[in-house]
Amino acid sequence: DAGVTQSPTHLIKTRGQHVTLRCSPISGHKSVSWYQQVLGQGPQFIFQYYEKEERGRGNFPDRFSARQFPNYSSELNVNALLLGDSALYLCASSLLAGGAITPNEQFFGPGTRLTVL
Amino acid sequence: TQLLEQSPQFLSIQEGENLTVYCNSSSVFSSLQWYRQEPGEGPVLLVTVVTGGEVKKLKRLTFQFGDARKDSSLHITAAQPGDTGLYLCAGAKGNQGGKLIFGQGTELSVKP
Repeated sequence: DAGVTQSPTHLIKTRGQHVTLRCSPISGHKSVSWYQQVLGQGPQFIFQYYEKEERGRGNFPDRFSARQFPNYSSELNVNALLLGDSALYLCASSLLAGGAITPNEQFFGPGTRLTVL
Repeated sequence: TQLLEQSPQFLSIQEGENLTVYCNSSSVFSSLQWYRQEPGEGPVLLVTVVTGGEVKKLKRLTFQFGDARKDSSLHITAAQPGDTGLYLCAGAKGNQGGKLIFGQGTELSVKP
């Protein structure tokens, strides 16, 4: 079975531009989460979507937005790019949304390396 | 504010040595996961622990969740060069199950 796939693998943009990153979850998984990982740090939570609805949002500006499609794939959009947006963007899929009783085991894709010049 | 503190941040050892990585917090987590990440790739899930005091073994790796579910440790026995990588702990809180809070990672280098 295919794991989580992300596209593109690498992307170079200039300040002020807009970018769209794509993610396909593991077959059967209904939840997709997005994380930003800056070099030398652990991933930081951006969004979670479950059954096409936003379930959680991290501490990121409104320039960041996302959506989930009926086939559970997802897009992350970032507008008005800043140099500080350069990072590895990770998508993770999980079977369910996760809660107090059900541990939210998340499986990560290979990431999209975004460089903003 | 770093909710999960990992230590050490860097570790360089010889093949065959043992090591322990710690993940500490003042917060209670409903579950905690350990991942291993190689350069340019996404984190790979190693284990999930959910019960206070739980111990799980994965070959030469032993994971423990603290009794109060605020801390965890990863112990590697007889480390091998293939164990080299970034080890990340990530916790989930009961009311925010979809959000994983990551530590800053422990960069492990095992030299032959």
